[in-house]
Amino acid sequence: DAKTTQPNSMESNEEEPVHLPCNHSTISGTDYIHWYRQLPSQGPEYVIHGLTSNVNNRMASLAIAEDRKSSTLILHRATLRDAAVYYCILRDKNRGSTLGRLYFGRGTQLTVWP
Amino acid sequence: DTEVTQTPKHLVMGMTNKKSLKCEQHMGHRAMYWYKQKAKKPPELMFVYSYEKLSINESVPSRFSPECPNSSLLNLHLHALQPEDSALYLCASSQGQGVAAIGANVLTFGAGSRLTVL
Repeated sequence: DAKTTQPNSMESNEEEPVHLPCNHSTISGTDYIHWYRQLPSQGPEYVIHGLTSNVNNRMASLAIAEDRKSSTLILHRATLRDAAVYYCILRDKNRGSTLGRLYFGRGTQLTVWP
Repeated sequence: DTEVTQTPKHLVMGMTNKKSLKCEQHMGHRAMYWYKQKAKKPPELMFVYSYEKLSINESVPSRFSPECPNSSLLNLHLHALQPEDSALYLCASSQGQGVAAIGANVLTFGAGSRLTVL
């Protein structure tokens, strides 16, 4: 399975934008890029996903490099509630036997300061 | 209903006990998952059920026994566990294979059951 590399931790001030990077140099053409986050004492929560084009939703934006070897999760205005571990995950589009093989890497611990 | 509900939230058991963790969803999802998460570590996949059939077992010891009685319920039966099995056990669900492009399948997680084995 293709792997992802993320910084262990990042910090931000409240109401500032946050750019969380993820490297996935071994990504294949059919891998979707998923982001989940896990708040303290909760299960992981879906944030966003994309394949080739940049994506926006109510929670965040996902910017995907043209060669797809890296991506960036953008939180436009960080709040204290965004403090969490953010996981960047690759999920294969075509391999039926990998249904459910959502493998988590170590993730990035985001700290938001008031 | 957009939730995955796990019970109990906390469970303490001895090494000789038999207990079960339960998971329920009413989103019409046909794939359900068990993950194990140790403190300060990422979740690790244990089992996947697709259309009530076990499709993935990530070489989990037999003291963990999953069961999917119907499309809404997922159980994890526990027997003769070890203290190192103490962890947060997470259940998740997603649309089944064929309903959406597999790579785009999004998982909805429960809050987890925190297990302590004495």
